[in-house]
Amino acid sequence: EVQLVQSGAEVKKTGESLRISCKGSGYTFTRSKISWVRQMPGKGLEWIGRIDPSDYNSNYSPSLQGHGTISVDKSIDTAYLQWSSLEASDSATYYCARHNAYYYDTDGYYDYFDRWGQGTLVTVSS
Amino acid sequence: DIQMTQSPSSLSASVGDRVTITCRASQSISSYLNWYQQKPGKAPKLLIYAASSLQSGVPSRFSGSGSGTEFTLTISSLQPEDFATYYCQQSYSAYTFGQGTKLEIK
Repeated sequence: EVQLVQSGAEVKKTGESLRISCKGSGYTFTRSKISWVRQMPGKGLEWIGRIDPSDYNSNYSPSLQGHGTISVDKSIDTAYLQWSSLEASDSATYYCARHNAYYYDTDGYYDYFDRWGQGTLVTVSS
Repeated sequence: DIQMTQSPSSLSASVGDRVTITCRASQSISSYLNWYQQKPGKAPKLLIYAASSLQSGVPSRFSGSGSGTEFTLTISSLQPEDFATYYCQQSYSAYTFGQGTKLEIK
């Protein structure tokens, strides 16, 4: 069974650093990109960025650039989202999600998030 | 950035009703449109990808249609477990979600 299991809830102070994790299992980890999605309290979903575990290439949303750095450790099938200096506005639930693709021709495909982690609640206070 | 706008933002309906949610893109995105369902305190769940393809395991009462800039998600006969928030997402250029449609029991 494909699973993404995220690390537990965190309570931090502004200015502190943090790294949260997302461990994949039940599939070949390097075959699928991983995205991170933010959901602020009572709000909608916002895409932060993605990483390709096969080559470490990452892309970020222009709107949320600077709101976390994405990395991966292929040896343990785990993706990370980290902050060097948290702000109160980073308080949110963060989800990792696995990419899948439906190919309609040799080079073209539709991209979607077919599995999600359970979410990690990050609370930042002063 | 491509903006996604859903309507309505909230909707009250009864079990057995047919419900349609609309999602509009700020520019043409072909069929690069996905739909997700989210229940309170839970992760989103993929329902529809590529505008009209039903994800494995999702009940057939869910269907998607549209291309270009206008898309719809239809639930043919609402069941109690369908009351949730629904999001569209474009994957044509990076990824953007709509603001969500909260489906509540009337």
